[in-house]
Amino acid sequence: NAGVTQTPKFQVLKTGQSMTLQCAQDMNHEYMSWYRQDPGMGLRLIHYSVGAGITDQGEVPNGYNVSRSTTEDFPLRLLSAAPSQTSVYFCASTNSRGAMNTEAFFGQGTRLTVV
Amino acid sequence: RKEVEQDPGPFNVPEGATVAFNCTYSNSASQSFFWYRQDCRKEPKLLMSVYSSGNEDGRFTAQLNRASQYISLLIRDSKLSDSATYLCVVLNYGGSQGNLIFGKGTKLSVKP
Repeated sequence: NAGVTQTPKFQVLKTGQSMTLQCAQDMNHEYMSWYRQDPGMGLRLIHYSVGAGITDQGEVPNGYNVSRSTTEDFPLRLLSAAPSQTSVYFCASTNSRGAMNTEAFFGQGTRLTVV
Repeated sequence: RKEVEQDPGPFNVPEGATVAFNCTYSNSASQSFFWYRQDCRKEPKLLMSVYSSGNEDGRFTAQLNRASQYISLLIRDSKLSDSATYLCVVLNYGGSQGNLIFGKGTKLSVKP
């Protein structure tokens, strides 16, 4: 019963490096999203997808790219890492049972440090 | 004004105490409301949905006041295991799916 699998759990990057955070879900959810969580800032939406082939920007999209080639996978790519991208990243997969029954299932998070 | 606002706390309470958290939201068109719980260095998890009529789940009671645009969570008989950050979450339903908007969270620490 995997749910949402997010890798890696920890990563240190040098400024200017690129990397991809992986996210996969096995619940056949259409809606997936990426958040970052910073101290005192709460969870902020980076990008989201309402289905395979469809992505859109959230509140803080700059410096990140996403793609959704399959229902299961929603990777987040950092194009050129900057210290301001040091954060904890969460991938979420949301059921589509209707507004009141909406529930987001989160991956375990990636703690990213950019030096 | 942030879309979802919460008192960050921390709330430090003794075991057995009753504690209440409030949350306000700015979008009067928001459709659904939730409380999530986040343990230290862990992912958020759904605690409970918040219904217009109010709802209870064991020691937890959630209330919604649409007129005043606020949501509350009451925890009775606090346990040490209730120590966590509680996130107020609002769903703005649009398009084919909705976006969940998270408050910054209220930290609760229950002491022996």
